Formats: sequence, structure tokens, C-alpha cells
Amino acid sequence: SSELTQDPAVSVALGQTVRITCRGDSLRRYSVSWYQQKPGQAPVVVICPKDNRPSGIPDRFSGSSSGNTASLTITGAQAEDEADYYCSSRDSSGNHNWVFGGGTKLTVL
Amino acid sequence: EVQLLESGGGLVQPGGSLRLSCAASGFTFSNSAMSWVRQAPGKGLEWVSSISTSGSNTYYADSVKGRFTISRDNSKNTLSLQMNALRAEDTAVYYCAKEQWLVRVLDSYFDYWGQGTLVTVSS
Repeated sequence: SSELTQDPAVSVALGQTVRITCRGDSLRRYSVSWYQQKPGQAPVVVICPKDNRPSGIPDRFSGSSSGNTASLTITGAQAEDEADYYCSSRDSSGNHNWVFGGGTKLTVL
Repeated sequence: EVQLLESGGGLVQPGGSLRLSCAASGFTFSNSAMSWVRQAPGKGLEWVSSISTSGSNTYYADSVKGRFTISRDNSKNTLSLQMNALRAEDTAVYYCAKEQWLVRVLDSYFDYWGQGTLVTVSS
């Protein structure tokens, strides 16, 4: 199996830019996707593989990847962006399993 | 509109069994791989199991292998998870998730999630 590591918590001032990172060996081989989860709600994808943004997701959300590190950037964070964010990719063992990062709680100040 | 509706959660004693179901609509169910992902109270997301479009290939997290069985009925657009020998650490909200394959990047992700069903394992 493999692991994806995220910082537990990040804060950003309203309207500023924040980057949430995800590290893991599986990211050298597989693409990452990012999920936003608000309290009491199911996760919602905000970035799909190869740093693409699904329809309906604001363009202030963007993704990037290099080596074993992936990043989710929110440019001009809004109050409604306060949530938990999870990265995910295929397990590096190549057995079709999935792995999630531990999640980052984003606070918008 | 894609909808995934989980059911079957509840309170069960350690060592007991429970069967979860996920009713899918709004897309061609037989064309999508499906997964179960769980979230223990106050914790992060944990992948549990996946199944291929035809159901011929199944995959499990080490934490549930040998105890849980994923299956699907493409004629009824239904995904299931049979959970046996349940433990306290299996207590979680269980989400049904649809996988979307992206041909251009040869990779996939979870594009739709249900609202989840709570499983509580306690005596």
C-alpha cells in the first residue's frame, strides 16, 4: 500500500491565495484528484486527474503536480471554500486500489 | 441527474453482519466502475472496495479483505456491500461513489458520491 500526506490544517485570509499540498510515492505514477467536503455533506470533486476542473467548479480552484507532490491552489479564497480537502490517487502497488490523504481543514479568516 | 442512494446502515453488534445497498440512477450504471468509501466519525476518507463494470473484478482494502464482499446487479442498477465479522473500527459513514474513467489521461476519479449511510458497530 502507499500513503498520501497532507498538512492537517491551513488558514487563509478572505480573498487571498492558499495552496494545499499532498505528497506520496503514488503521485509519481498516478494522477491526483482533489475533493472538498463540508460538514455533514458528501465529498465533491474539485480537481480531476491531470489538474482539470469539473464543470461547475469555480476557476479559482486549480491543481498542479510535480514528482511526488501535488497541490491544490485556491486563488482569492471565499468564505464558502472553508471545508476539508482530500487528495486521492491510485495505490502505487498497482493493484487497482485507491488511497486518500488524511485531509486538510481549510479555515478562511 | 446522477443520483446514488445508499441504504442498509444501522446499529450492529461486534461480529455481526450488515448489507449495504446503493441505488444508482441518471447514468448508464453498467458502464461505470463503482466503489465504497467510508469515513469514521471525525476522521478522513478511507477507500474500502471497488468493482469493475461487469463485476468480474473486485478489489478490497487490507482492513476489510476477507470480511466484506462487494457486488453489483447491472439489471437493477444496484451496488452492494456485504459486511461480515464487523468490528468497532468499522463504524463509519459509508459512501457509494461512481468512478469516471478519463481516456485522455488513462486514469479515473470519483465524480459522484451518495450522501452516505451510517454503520455503527457497538454492543
